[in-house]
Amino acid sequence: SQQGEEDPQALSIQEGENATMNCSYKTSINNLQWYRQNSGRGLVHLILIRSNEREKHSGRLRVTLDTSKKSSSLLITASRAADTASYFCATDAVKAAGNKLTFGGGTRVLVKP
Amino acid sequence: NAGVMQNPRHLVRRRGQEARLRCSPMKGHSHVYWYRQLPEEGLKFMVYLQKENIIDESGMPKERFSAEFPKEGPSILRIQQVVRGDSAAYFCASSPGRQTYTDTQYFGPGTRLTVL
Repeated sequence: SQQGEEDPQALSIQEGENATMNCSYKTSINNLQWYRQNSGRGLVHLILIRSNEREKHSGRLRVTLDTSKKSSSLLITASRAADTASYFCATDAVKAAGNKLTFGGGTRVLVKP
Repeated sequence: NAGVMQNPRHLVRRRGQEARLRCSPMKGHSHVYWYRQLPEEGLKFMVYLQKENIIDESGMPKERFSAEFPKEGPSILRIQQVVRGDSAAYFCASSPGRQTYTDTQYFGPGTRLTVL
């Protein structure tokens, strides 16, 4: 499997429900970032969590990081139709030059009104 | 402060032609990254540049692809003799480069290349 794989690949929920998606990776990392991409558009940075952090919040977003399991989760609370998008985790590997990112395949989230 | 700018947003080329994609990083950013995204897939790293230097091109195909980030002007990703398999969205990202391992990368809107 690839560095930074998201699970599930697709998620369909009702407005108001919470959406949880997971990301697993293989190598040691400096940080892990989550991005959102609306269909046919660019990526919007959501949150960055450093390797020495375990949890981070930003508005309705909650990100956890477990470096012992090499996994992260993104929780979107009280989802809205506007949250419909693809969500990608991206890792910045320790041995990488600079901070090039390795992306997973994404989780496609559909929030039904 | 304008975000990362890419142009053109859409580019159509016939097989064998050249494609030139431009990226202007955010003001004050000296690090530029290029990524490629195939349909329904995540982004794949291609190349990392600082002004006048290629730092890491491990994701670039060995032939036909080149990138530069001159002292003045935008970063350019150049694809020579395009083939249908080059059809993809190409994204540029920039970062300030002040905190090497914790810099956020800010992405441009992408250039969607279609090769006929």
